[in-house]
Amino acid sequence: DGGITQSPKYLFRKEGQNVTLSCEQNLNHDAMYWYRQDPGQGLRLIYYSQIVNDFQKGDIAEGYSVSREKKESFPLTVTSAQKNPTAFYLCASSMGEDLADTQYFGPGTRLTVL
Amino acid sequence: AQSVAQPEDQVNVAEGNPLTVKCTYSVSGNPYLFWYVQYPNRGLQFLLKYITGDNLVKGSYGFEAEFNKSQTSFHLKKPSALVSDSALYFCAVRGWLSGDDKIIFGKGTRLHILP
Repeated sequence: DGGITQSPKYLFRKEGQNVTLSCEQNLNHDAMYWYRQDPGQGLRLIYYSQIVNDFQKGDIAEGYSVSREKKESFPLTVTSAQKNPTAFYLCASSMGEDLADTQYFGPGTRLTVL
Repeated sequence: AQSVAQPEDQVNVAEGNPLTVKCTYSVSGNPYLFWYVQYPNRGLQFLLKYITGDNLVKGSYGFEAEFNKSQTSFHLKKPSALVSDSALYFCAVRGWLSGDDKIIFGKGTRLHILP
């Protein structure tokens, strides 16, 4: 997990609220990613960013938004439009756009909707 | 589009015995293959990857994986299992052709090492 921090570790949200998950990296990596993990489903890509001020939708972007104003930061907002947000959220980063680059993961945030 | 399969949801191995966690893939062109491990309520930790070259890749914590192009497999192995190896293991694949260049993760295999 070294070099990538996520906060908070646990987050509780009431229905209808937006919440923002923090992801910071000090690895000087260009690329950052957000994944959602549900039991038995592996990891699914929400959004990714390969450079500051640019990002692309992943496979399940609906109900989520991101920003990339700084190289080291890639926050994820879970909006009220996300119908089933309870999940474990993982942030990752990689050095660049090379396809062989390894992704390194943060410790995760567990979001629970009450 | 590329895909990756981990055919076993769970694998049980006695401590000290060799372990194998299976992974098969489908991708256009040559693959990049990865193994990660996840401990409870933690992020994924990188174990090893195959890019090119020697089919046997050695990684962290004594793990290794063998790339088999004809069988499109990349099974994770360890000669002697430890109780501390108990965790959730993910295989991932990435192709280098357009349309297959996103990393795809398998659904994971839970490894139980029995003392």
